[in-house]
Amino acid sequence: AQTVTQSQPEMSVQEAETVTLSCTYDTSESDYYLFWYKQPPSRQMILVIRQEAYKQQNATENRFSVNFQKAAKSFSLKISDSQLGDAAMYFCAWKGTSGTYKYIFGTGTRLKVLA
Amino acid sequence: DGGITQSPKYLFRKEGQNVTLSCEQNLNHDAMYWYRQDPGQGLRLIYYSQIVNDFQKGDIAEGYSVSREKKESFPLTVTSAQKNPTAFYLCASKTTGGLYSGNTIYFGEGSWLTVV
Repeated sequence: AQTVTQSQPEMSVQEAETVTLSCTYDTSESDYYLFWYKQPPSRQMILVIRQEAYKQQNATENRFSVNFQKAAKSFSLKISDSQLGDAAMYFCAWKGTSGTYKYIFGTGTRLKVLA
Repeated sequence: DGGITQSPKYLFRKEGQNVTLSCEQNLNHDAMYWYRQDPGQGLRLIYYSQIVNDFQKGDIAEGYSVSREKKESFPLTVTSAQKNPTAFYLCASKTTGGLYSGNTIYFGEGSWLTVV
């Protein structure tokens, strides 16, 4: 069965600094999608960034970028120039492509941004 | 505006009572999902539906029921058989078309359910 592991329950970063959140996953599939979602105090889940496994290039969205290491099954999120509004829970998620509609989520990392 | 609307935002249930959480989307998405979120845990799948009049159990379906009579609506009923229903519930949807956009789910704002 597929699993997603976020080993950092909580992280802190100074405003304007860079932080990296870790995510590892286990799958036997060769093609899949990976996502990072942000959950602010309002609790609504917001898509931050997504990566297709068949793409070697790491995805970027403004201050957010990923380090996708397929062989190591690692998918970390880097937040540059951290802002107070980045404080939230961040969830890593996996979805296969072989007919499954299930998304597997990690347990989340709480990010605190210090002024 | 297009989006996913969940209601109510807060709901209180008495012991032995069934309650229904509403989820409506105007994104013309085919697939819809219900997730449960408990403190310290990720999202766990309750039910999902790929098309109208069809739905499948997720990992924690016991004590829950759903219906999908309309494309835009996917209500979740928490029955009295669910012994520990206090949690945050999230509804989500996705289109089934398109290689790229078709694999991203979008979420509603969630509903809090508390047993009193």
